[in-house]
Amino acid sequence: QKEVEQNSGPLSVPEGAIASLNCTYSDRGSQSFFWYRQYSGKSPELIMSIYSNGDKEDGRFTAQLNKASQYVSLLIRDSQPSDSATYLCAVNSLASWGKLQFGAGTQVVVTP
Amino acid sequence: DADVTQTPRNRITKTGKRIMLECSQTKGHDRMYWYRQDPGLGLRLIYYSFDVKDINKGEISDGYSVSRQAQAKFSLSLESAIPNQTALYFCATSGTDSNQPQHFGDGTRLSIL
Repeated sequence: QKEVEQNSGPLSVPEGAIASLNCTYSDRGSQSFFWYRQYSGKSPELIMSIYSNGDKEDGRFTAQLNKASQYVSLLIRDSQPSDSATYLCAVNSLASWGKLQFGAGTQVVVTP
Repeated sequence: DADVTQTPRNRITKTGKRIMLECSQTKGHDRMYWYRQDPGLGLRLIYYSFDVKDINKGEISDGYSVSRQAQAKFSLSLESAIPNQTALYFCATSGTDSNQPQHFGDGTRLSIL
């Protein structure tokens, strides 16, 4: 079992709709959670950090964390074509302290 | 200027050549990392360093070596390049607090013929 799992997609989303991305992790002792956006051929860019259960909103992005169920999700509201990218979930767990465990990423395609 | 700078940005070379990829940072971070990314395989950790005197192997260190010349500089070497090392390489940094995220350089696209 991979430590961090994401659906690879592609997730096709109409422009203006909500994109919902999910990520599950295996280490129950995980402490910090991050979402990165990566355009094709470019480097990962940090878009959200979340550390405690619940929702965290930043502009059109909302991260949701549920430690009991071991999942973290990312919602993108009012999706735009510029949101078309691969989204990487990253988890810092006790077992890998100091090293992030990355999921393989979910590709999002926003269609006009 | 970028906080994490990788050089070169692109490199094409031949099998058997020695190659060095360099990373420098102005973020003042102690921790630095090297990753490679292949299509469909995600990011894989090659080496990481938590301070100047600390070097650790990641999950795919075979065929690679690193040098931490200073807090701000971390270089990756391929002693004898082979075609399956063709990939996109990223350097990343993070602060001492293990809950902090990593910040990535722009990457080096390496092609080995």
